[in-house]
Amino acid sequence: KAGVTQTPRYLIKTRGQQVTLSCSPISGHRSVSWYQQTPGQGLQFLFEYFSETQRNKGNFPGRFSGRQFSNSRSEMNVSTLELGDSALYLCASSLAGPAMNTEAFFGQGTRLTVV
Amino acid sequence: GENVEQHPSTLSVQEGDSAVIKCTYSDSASNYFPWYKQELGKRPQLIIDIRSNVGEKKDQRIAVTLNKTAKHFSLHITETQPEDSAVYFCAASKPSGAGKSTFGDGTTLTVKP
Repeated sequence: KAGVTQTPRYLIKTRGQQVTLSCSPISGHRSVSWYQQTPGQGLQFLFEYFSETQRNKGNFPGRFSGRQFSNSRSEMNVSTLELGDSALYLCASSLAGPAMNTEAFFGQGTRLTVV
Repeated sequence: GENVEQHPSTLSVQEGDSAVIKCTYSDSASNYFPWYKQELGKRPQLIIDIRSNVGEKKDQRIAVTLNKTAKHFSLHITETQPEDSAVYFCAASKPSGAGKSTFGDGTTLTVKP
């Protein structure tokens, strides 16, 4: 079974630009979550999608948005990039249902650098 | 919202010694507590998890204990080996937000040969 796939792996963008990151979950997984990882801040939750609906949202500005498609693939968009958005963006998929917690499988991440 | 505190931030042990990492959480509704290991340049991977209806779980050299009353849980690694060197993250999840885990800030474990 293929793991969680994130594309692209690396990205360099200029301040003010926008970026779209993609995440393909493990086949059969309907929950996809996104996290921002920075050296000093650990893993910060961005949002979670389940069956095309955003189920939870973290404390990030509205410049961060996402969506999930009918095949469970998810995209994350960041508009008007700032230097502080430079980070590793990880997505994780799980079998989790409405009231069930299960193991999250992480992708390798997209390393975003804003210059 | 949920707040997870993890200690220590760095831990150095001699090969063969034990290592203990502790986490506290704030929301008593949290009922799922996974631990992830992230080696340098790699993705976090689950090493063990525990649910709130269990007080302790063990898997070979790794064990996790949970104290619901005190709202804290701990990771115990015995007979540490150099390949245990990594960053370890604890997390807490509530049933209503299965995919939303609140993570601790991580513990960098170094096992010296």
